[in-house]
Amino acid sequence: AQKVTQAQTEISVVEKEDVTLDCVYETRDTTYYLFWYKQPPSGELVFLIRRNSFDEQNEISGRYSWNFQKSTSSFNFTITASQVVDSAVYFCALSTNSGNTPLVFGKGTRLSVIA
Amino acid sequence: GAGVSQSPSNKVTEKGKDVELRCDPISGHTALYWYRQSLGQGLEFLIYFQGNSAPDKSGLPSDRFSAERTGGSVSTLTIQRTQQEDSAVYLCASSLNPGGRTGELFFGEGSRLTVL
Repeated sequence: AQKVTQAQTEISVVEKEDVTLDCVYETRDTTYYLFWYKQPPSGELVFLIRRNSFDEQNEISGRYSWNFQKSTSSFNFTITASQVVDSAVYFCALSTNSGNTPLVFGKGTRLSVIA
Repeated sequence: GAGVSQSPSNKVTEKGKDVELRCDPISGHTALYWYRQSLGQGLEFLIYFQGNSAPDKSGLPSDRFSAERTGGSVSTLTIQRTQQEDSAVYLCASSLNPGGRTGELFFGEGSRLTVL
């Protein structure tokens, strides 16, 4: 069975601090995909990134970076120099069976960035 | 618009009544998903349609829940004899191909259901 755990329910940081959101996944498949989505207060989920299981290179996109480590089954998300607009609920998700299964989501981490 | 459209955006109903929630996916998207988001519970998978294949109903919580997708496009999620624990935001998403392979699910804004 596949499972995604986001142990941090809520995080609060002061603007300009760096913050890391943890994601740990479980699957027996060798080919799978990992995702991060952002849900701002408006409610609509926004896709941030997808990573397949064969690509362990870390990725950076502006202030966002992702650290994928198969050895620890983790796919952590770091926001550098956080801003108030980063306040949202962030979800990590997993699709297995070479991407043919529906995404399984974690319970999300609510990030509050305080000015 | 070009995005996933859901209606109604808000629905208040009395316990025991039936409700229908509608999802209009992005044109051309073959995959359609329903998720439920309850407070503090993340996104719970309900059902998945992919092209002409039989839907994956493994996430439906009880036989009071059903969904159909007509003509490979619009989908309706029906909840019969609603209970208070059905109160949640019901999210629909679509993707060009199975979401994992294609890289992105596009979500609607959701239908907030409140059962009194």
